[in-house]
Amino acid sequence: SQTIHQWPATLVQPVGSPLSLECTVEGTSNPNLYWYRQAAGRGLQLLFYSVGIGQISSEVPQNLSASRPQDRQFILSSKKLLLSDSGFYLCAWSAGEVKNIQYFGAGTRLSVL
Amino acid sequence: QQQVKQSPQSLIVQKGGISIINCAYENTAFDYFPWYQQFPGKGPALLIAIRPDVSEKKEGRFTISFNKSAKQFSLHIMDSQPGDSATYFCAASRGSGTYKYIFGTGTRLKVLA
Repeated sequence: SQTIHQWPATLVQPVGSPLSLECTVEGTSNPNLYWYRQAAGRGLQLLFYSVGIGQISSEVPQNLSASRPQDRQFILSSKKLLLSDSGFYLCAWSAGEVKNIQYFGAGTRLSVL
Repeated sequence: QQQVKQSPQSLIVQKGGISIINCAYENTAFDYFPWYQQFPGKGPALLIAIRPDVSEKKEGRFTISFNKSAKQFSLHIMDSQPGDSATYFCAASRGSGTYKYIFGTGTRLKVLA
């Protein structure tokens, strides 16, 4: 069966520090991968998506970047965090014959202080 | 044209009552409409989904009603239970290419015991 792992679950970082959040998917190949951000009490904003290794599309201009070094690994990064980067970050995947269905990880709660 | 409008923002229902959440979209190219349930601090989980070739889909106490001409769809939770208290998101996507979701802004449901 397929599973998705996100870590860390919680992160507190000072303004100006770097960021690296990792997401891995098991049990499937060539998934579409997605990074979302959810502000407190708000909806889900798509940040990046990837349809293959090294293929990254950005949805909104921001202080973040994404990379996909391996088929089932998706990394969200920042060189210098801003206060506005605080939020709940979610990774999702879809694959197979039903690529419409996205499955979400447990998320990372990021607080930038 | 890419928006999905969701209402109400919050909803309080008595145990055993019917919870109804509505969504409207503009892009007629959308062909997949999922609903996700999210508990605090967790990632969203797929609840039920529908394609525009059917007007209704039922899974247990959860029903999606779909009105293609009005470009609206809704989630009905029958016999609402306190355990249903969560945030619900509708979404829309196109069944090809990136399969990106456009999410509604979410409805926070509270079911009173």
